[in-house]
Amino acid sequence: QVRLQESGPGLVKPSETLSLTCTVSGYSISSGSYWGWVRQPPGKGLEWIASIYQTGTTYYNPSLMSRVTLSVDTSKNQFSLKLNSVTAADTAVYYCARDYHCLDPWGQGTLVTVSS
Amino acid sequence: QPVLTQSSSASASLGSSVKLTCTLSSGHSSYIIAWHQQQPGKAPRYLMKLEGSGTYDKGSGVPDRFSGSSSGADRYLTISNLQSEDEADYYCETWDSNIHFFGGGTKVTVL
Repeated sequence: QVRLQESGPGLVKPSETLSLTCTVSGYSISSGSYWGWVRQPPGKGLEWIASIYQTGTTYYNPSLMSRVTLSVDTSKNQFSLKLNSVTAADTAVYYCARDYHCLDPWGQGTLVTVSS
Repeated sequence: QPVLTQSSSASASLGSSVKLTCTLSSGHSSYIIAWHQQQPGKAPRYLMKLEGSGTYDKGSGVPDRFSGSSSGADRYLTISNLQSEDEADYYCETWDSNIHFFGGGTKVTVL
């Protein structure tokens, strides 16, 4: 059974970089599939951020592309998200998910608050 | 790019049925979508993938009460024998050239 778990700081200062890691268990990232990030601001809907393949091929939400970097570490079975120049509008629960056309399964999510 | 439109809310009585709609934008009526359920305070959970033909493929452990159907650009999620734990937000999702799109979500209230 594939499981995903997000980790990273819960508080980031404005203008700094948000960094999160998703650890995958029960499935080897090297076996294929894309791996993605989705966020959800408090009380709002879901927004897809980006997805990455094991080879590093990446697809981005055009609205966030300029600030987002994804990476993958197959040796640790992890993939990571960096979002730079954050503002209060980036405060959200961030989810990682396997991207095999649709997003399934999902991690439990981690709340990241942008505040000084 | 596809746009997914969902009603903001729906309600039905315990034990009854509710049918949610996700409408694909013009030119995208053949797209496959996925339905996800998000219970309060929890992560989204994949329910099913639904084709324009009405064929659907449910995720592991999804109760038989959940079913899908399609008509033109509309994709439906029907929940039968509504239970209290079905009170949640329901999102539809689609994808195009590896870019993902979500509907705004429908909040289901069980009366």
